[in-house]
Amino acid sequence: KAGVTQTPRYLIKTRGQQVTLSCSPISGHRSVSWYQQTPGQGLQFLFEYFSETQRNKGNFPGRFSGRQFSNSRSEMNVSTLELGDSALYLCASSEPTGDTQYFGPGTRLTVL
Amino acid sequence: GESVGLHLPTLSVQEGDNSIINCAYSNSASDYFIWYKQESGKGPQFIIDIRSNMDKRQGQRVTVLLNKTVKHLSLQIAATQPGDSAVYFCAERPYTGRRALTFGSGTRLQVQP
Repeated sequence: KAGVTQTPRYLIKTRGQQVTLSCSPISGHRSVSWYQQTPGQGLQFLFEYFSETQRNKGNFPGRFSGRQFSNSRSEMNVSTLELGDSALYLCASSEPTGDTQYFGPGTRLTVL
Repeated sequence: GESVGLHLPTLSVQEGDNSIINCAYSNSASDYFIWYKQESGKGPQFIIDIRSNMDKRQGQRVTVLLNKTVKHLSLQIAATQPGDSAVYFCAERPYTGRRALTFGSGTRLQVQP
């Protein structure tokens, strides 16, 4: 099976802009979680989606949002970008009844 | 809040030696633990996981040990190879039924030839 894919792999934006990142889970996986990775804060949970419903949300401001489509693909959106939003955004997928999360390569977002 | 920490930020071992990476967790309610390996420019790669009703689990060249009494997790890598050089993260799942993981800060493993 193909792994988790994320697009784009690299992105450069300026402060105040918004950005949308995309994630395609492993075939058959219906759960998608998003994480932010920064040198200072490490890996932090953003949110989890299952069957198009957000099941869990981390401690991030409302500027961070996401959604999941009927084919399990997911997108996350960050509005009004700040310099501190520069990070590696990682998507992970899981089987419907599985615990293990498999990560994609991430999208490297740089905010100037 | 919950935190998962690592005792050593950097571990340097000789090729062929066994490596032990340690991790402390703080949430006694966590029911699931997992180790990931992350190489530069890549996403975390699953290594091995363990549920809280177990104290040991073995994979290929890797073993995870869980000590719930002292809230300690360790990853043992046998016959460490240069390809094992990476950052290793432990993570815990504090909430049963939810997939949100709390990650440790990571340990960099350097394998000397």
